[in-house]
Amino acid sequence: AQKITQTQPGMFVQEKEAVTLDCTYDTSDPSYGLFWYKQPSSGEMIFLIYQGSYDQQNATEGRYSLNFQKARKSANLVISASQLGDSAMYFCAMRANAGGTSYGKLTFGQGTILTVHP
Amino acid sequence: ETGVTQTPRHLVMGMTNKKSLKCEQHLGHNAMYWYKQSAKKPLELMFVYNFKEQTENNSVPSRFSPECPNSSHLFLHLHTLQPEDSALYLCASSQVEWTLYGYTFGSGTRLTVV
Repeated sequence: AQKITQTQPGMFVQEKEAVTLDCTYDTSDPSYGLFWYKQPSSGEMIFLIYQGSYDQQNATEGRYSLNFQKARKSANLVISASQLGDSAMYFCAMRANAGGTSYGKLTFGQGTILTVHP
Repeated sequence: ETGVTQTPRHLVMGMTNKKSLKCEQHLGHNAMYWYKQSAKKPLELMFVYNFKEQTENNSVPSRFSPECPNSSHLFLHLHTLQPEDSALYLCASSQVEWTLYGYTFGSGTRLTVV
């Protein structure tokens, strides 16, 4: 079974500061992908960043980076230079190989609400 | 434009009404999903369709009836809903075949049952 845990229900950050959103995961599959999505108040789920379990380097996409610590099973999202538009719900998710079958479902964490203060 | 289009964006319906939510993707994906997102609750996977066949129904009440006529379209037919069914309904699509890529989501339909 796969599990994603986000322990921070809410986070606050000052504009232009960096913030780290925590995510830990649990899977017995050696091959998996980790994702972060952003959900503004409008409701759409926006893909931010992806990290493969075999990737040697941490993923980066503009102001987003993923701090991947495989041994600790953590995949924290770091947002640098926060902007007011970053205020949203953030979800960590994982898709694993489901024991070798084709149907690896995307499993989501509970989400973290990020509020950026001016 | 995410590649997955959901209509309508907002829907208000009475408990005796019948309505349908529509989801359409032209990404060449062969799996489609319905999620329910209630206030202050995690995302709940409702239905999974792979190659137009329903492969998962997570104990969803029969007042929700999905339909997948082809790999590009997915519907959620609603009838005799309850106020607690008010939520954001998200559609997503992906490739069924093993891939490390995630899902592409639509913008959701915000449903209010009165």
